[in-house]
Amino acid sequence: DAKTTQPPSMDCAEGRAANLPCNHSTISGNEYVYWYRQIHSQGPQYIIHGLKNNETNEMASLIITEDRKSSTLILPHATLRDTAVYYCIFGSSNTGKLIFGQGTTLQVKP
Amino acid sequence: EAGVAQSPRYKIIEKRQSVAFWCNPISGHATLYWYQQILGQGPKLLIQFQNNGVVDDSQLPKDRFSAERLKGVDSTLKIQPAKLEDSAVYLCASSLHQRNQPQHFGDGTRLSIL
Repeated sequence: DAKTTQPPSMDCAEGRAANLPCNHSTISGNEYVYWYRQIHSQGPQYIIHGLKNNETNEMASLIITEDRKSSTLILPHATLRDTAVYYCIFGSSNTGKLIFGQGTTLQVKP
Repeated sequence: EAGVAQSPRYKIIEKRQSVAFWCNPISGHATLYWYQQILGQGPKLLIQFQNNGVVDDSQLPKDRFSAERLKGVDSTLKIQPAKLEDSAVYLCASSLHQRNQPQHFGDGTRLSIL
C-alpha cells in the first residue's frame, strides 16, 4: 500500500512560512501527491495536489522534487488557524483511493 | 456549493446494538467514500462507490458492516452488531471523478460504544 513519511510534529511562528516535508519514495509515475489538513473535530480539508510540477493556490504552494520522491507544502504566512494535522498522501490514479498516514501536527504559535 | 452532509453528528450506543450513518455528497459527485478514523490515527477507507456500484470494499468488515448507495446519491453505512473497537469517527467524502480529483469530506459522525 502507498505510504508516506512525515515528521510527527512541527512548530511555526505566526506570520512566518511553514514548510512541511514529506517523503514518498515509492510513488509511481501516474500517482498524484495530495495534501489535506484536519482541524480538531472536523473532517479533512483538501489543500492542494500535484503530479510533477510545482503548484500554488490560494491556500498553499506544493514543491515536488524532480525525482518525485519527496515534496514540501508551504503555507506562506501561517496563522493560528493553520494549527492542524497535515496529511501528505499519494493516491491511485486508477481508483482514487487515498491511504492516510499519521500526518504532521503543525502548531502555529503567537 | 454545499459541502458533504453527514448525520447524526454524535451517536452513543451499547455494544451489540446496531447503528446507521447517513451521508449526502456534494451535488454531482459520482464517487463516494466512507472512512473510519480511530482516535490518533489517520482515516482508513472502508468502502468506495462509483455512482451506486462498489469499487472497493476490501477493508470493510463485512460480517458486521454494510453500506449502500441505492440511487447513486445518498449513502448509508450500518454496523450490526457493534463492538467496542468500532468506537471512531465515521467520515464520508465525495469527489467528481475517480481519477485525480480531490475528495471533499464531511465532518463525520462520532460513534461511542459503551
